[in-house]
Amino acid sequence: GDSVTQMEGPVTLSEEAFLTINCTYTATGYPSLFWYVQYPGEGLQLLLKATKADDKGSNKGFEATYRKETTSFHLEKGSVQVSDSAVYFCALRPPQAGTALIFGKGTTLSVSS
Amino acid sequence: DADVTQTPRNRITKTGKRIMLECSQTKGHDRMYWYRQDPGLGLRLIYYSFDVKDINKGEISDGYSVSRQAQAKFSLSLESAIPNQTALYFCATNDQGGGDTQYFGPGTRLTVL
Repeated sequence: GDSVTQMEGPVTLSEEAFLTINCTYTATGYPSLFWYVQYPGEGLQLLLKATKADDKGSNKGFEATYRKETTSFHLEKGSVQVSDSAVYFCALRPPQAGTALIFGKGTTLSVSS
Repeated sequence: DADVTQTPRNRITKTGKRIMLECSQTKGHDRMYWYRQDPGLGLRLIYYSFDVKDINKGEISDGYSVSRQAQAKFSLSLESAIPNQTALYFCATNDQGGGDTQYFGPGTRLTVL
């Protein structure tokens, strides 16, 4: 079945470091791909998304490109801040109608000043 | 006011007790979901509903039941709680016509002793 695999955490970085969180997926057809972020004590909120191959989603300095050839949707940010400390979830929605999102296990990011 | 609300926010109960978690949304969305979050396991889908007359089992529905009382309300019940149901529970909504983005509530932290 469809699935999402993202890198294990925690990821610990210093402020202004470059961030990459890897995400790969298994799906038939062309799913929509998402990154959600969960700040401490809060629910998940959408960070960015891409709905077709080669699309780039971006928000708050984060970017991810939908790569069909490598079935990947890696999250990147050029310069992280302490306020980016959170749990990041990669997710996909299969192309079939009437399906729910499938989430990865989440990656915890901790940024220190 | 928040668009997706969950009550209670925290609950401690004992093994064997019946408990209901409630979710309400003011976004006018037709689709609602219940997930549980466990450390290292990410979010797993329990049940979902695409309209008032539609209820579907998710990945881990055993031990849970749901009720879609109205378009805006979706309740999750544990008929006889057990300790391994201790988790963080999230409700989410999205709109069939509005794209794939799911909007999450703040979560309910449930502890079963």
